[in-house]
Amino acid sequence: DVKVTQSSRYLVKRTGEKVFLECVQDMDHENMFWYRQDPGLGLRLIYFSYDVKMKEKGDIPEGYSVSREKKERFSLILESASTNQTSMYLCASSRQQGFTDTQYFGPGTRLTVL
Amino acid sequence: KNEVEQSPQNLTAQEGEFITINCSYSVGISALHWLQQHPGGGIVSLFMLSSGKKKHGRLIATINIQEKHSSLHITASHPRDSAVYICAVPPPEYGNKLVFGAGTILRVKS
Repeated sequence: DVKVTQSSRYLVKRTGEKVFLECVQDMDHENMFWYRQDPGLGLRLIYFSYDVKMKEKGDIPEGYSVSREKKERFSLILESASTNQTSMYLCASSRQQGFTDTQYFGPGTRLTVL
Repeated sequence: KNEVEQSPQNLTAQEGEFITINCSYSVGISALHWLQQHPGGGIVSLFMLSSGKKKHGRLIATINIQEKHSSLHITASHPRDSAVYICAVPPPEYGNKLVFGAGTILRVKS
């Protein structure tokens, strides 16, 4: 079974802090994704990566950056957290490039920025 | 108009009932995803289909590419099926993006 893990289930940070959300997958998948989920807005893509050191912007990249130094790990960085970044963050991975392959999701990190 | 629309938004059923959730989309696609999200947040991919029908246990997904419509059926529903069901499509003209429906909140009562 594919396993996607995220570093924290719940996280509370203060405005202006630098925040790192880590995601690790154990199935040698090519693609990794970061989404945020907000009530009434559904899932929105922040960034994705199709290879090590490669990244592509999604729908809402502003205020975020990502890092993929190793194939299994994809990090989401909030350079200076703001209250409007309070959300549920979900990481996913898929085997093949593109968006027509099954995506496997992590358990999510519920981030609160005070 | 949203590119992906799901109906109903909310659904309450009695245990044992046959359930249908619908997804209509307005863009050309090559595949459609059905996802399940339980309370607590975890999302599980149920199906990815590009034509016809797929079945997994009590879940059946169908798609009609010409009519731009997909359905998710649950037979013999159970309270543990209570979750949010989300459909998502990757329109090629949108580049690298999945467009998600708003989700259908299903509650199955015992």
